[in-house]
Amino acid sequence: GENVEQHPSTLSVQEGDSAVIKCTYSDSASNYFPWYKQELGKGPQLIIDIRSNVGEKKDQRIAVTLNKTAKHFSLHITETQPEDSAVYFCAASESNDYKLSFGAGTTVTVRA
Amino acid sequence: NAGVTQTPKFRVLKTGQSMTLLCAQDMNHEYMYWYRQDPGMGLRLIHYSVGEGTTAKGEVPDGYNVSRLKKQNFLLGLESAAPSQTSVYFCASSYSVIAGTGTSYGYTFGSGTRLTVV
Repeated sequence: GENVEQHPSTLSVQEGDSAVIKCTYSDSASNYFPWYKQELGKGPQLIIDIRSNVGEKKDQRIAVTLNKTAKHFSLHITETQPEDSAVYFCAASESNDYKLSFGAGTTVTVRA
Repeated sequence: NAGVTQTPKFRVLKTGQSMTLLCAQDMNHEYMYWYRQDPGMGLRLIHYSVGEGTTAKGEVPDGYNVSRLKKQNFLLGLESAAPSQTSVYFCASSYSVIAGTGTSYGYTFGSGTRLTVV
C-alpha cells in the first residue's frame, strides 16, 4: 500500500515569514495529493489539492508543488499569519482509489 | 448546516465495555470512512464504505466493526474496548470528481470523538 512520509513534524516561523512542509510517497500510481489543515479541537479541513498532471497550484497565500519523478510534493505558505497555526496533513491516493493515505502531520506555530 | 456530525464527542470506557460511535452526513456522499488519530501517527483508516450496505477493512481494522444500513449513517463499534483503542476517532465522507486528468475526492471530516479506555 501507499506510504506517505511528512517532514518536519514541528515548524515554528516568525509572522510574515514562509513555511514549507514536504511529503514523499511510495506508490508511483498515486495521482491525487490533497493537503488538510486541522485546528485545535476540530476535524481536518481540505485547503488545497493537486493532481499528478499539474506541477504547481496556488490559492492566495498557499501553494503546492509536485515532483512525480522524485515522488515528493510540498506545501508552501507565504506571509504567515497567527491563524495559520495548526496541524497540517498531506495525503495521497491512487487513481480511482478513494482511500487516502495520510502523512503523520506537521504542527505549525506562527510566532507574533 | 451541511456536514458530518459525530456523536458522542467524548467518552470514557472501562476495559471490556462496548460502545458505538455514530457518524451522520447530509451531503449525499457515497463514500464514508472511519479514521483514528494518534500522536505522531497521523490518520489511519479503520474501515470504510463505498455505499449503503457495503463495508470494507482499512489499515487498522482489528477490534472494530462497522455498519452502513443507511446511506447517511456509518456506525463504528467496539465490542470489547482495550486501552490501545484510546484515541481520537474521525469520521469522513467524500464525493468524487472525475476530470480528464484524473479523479479527486473531496473529504469532509467530522469534529471527532475523543475516546479514553481505562
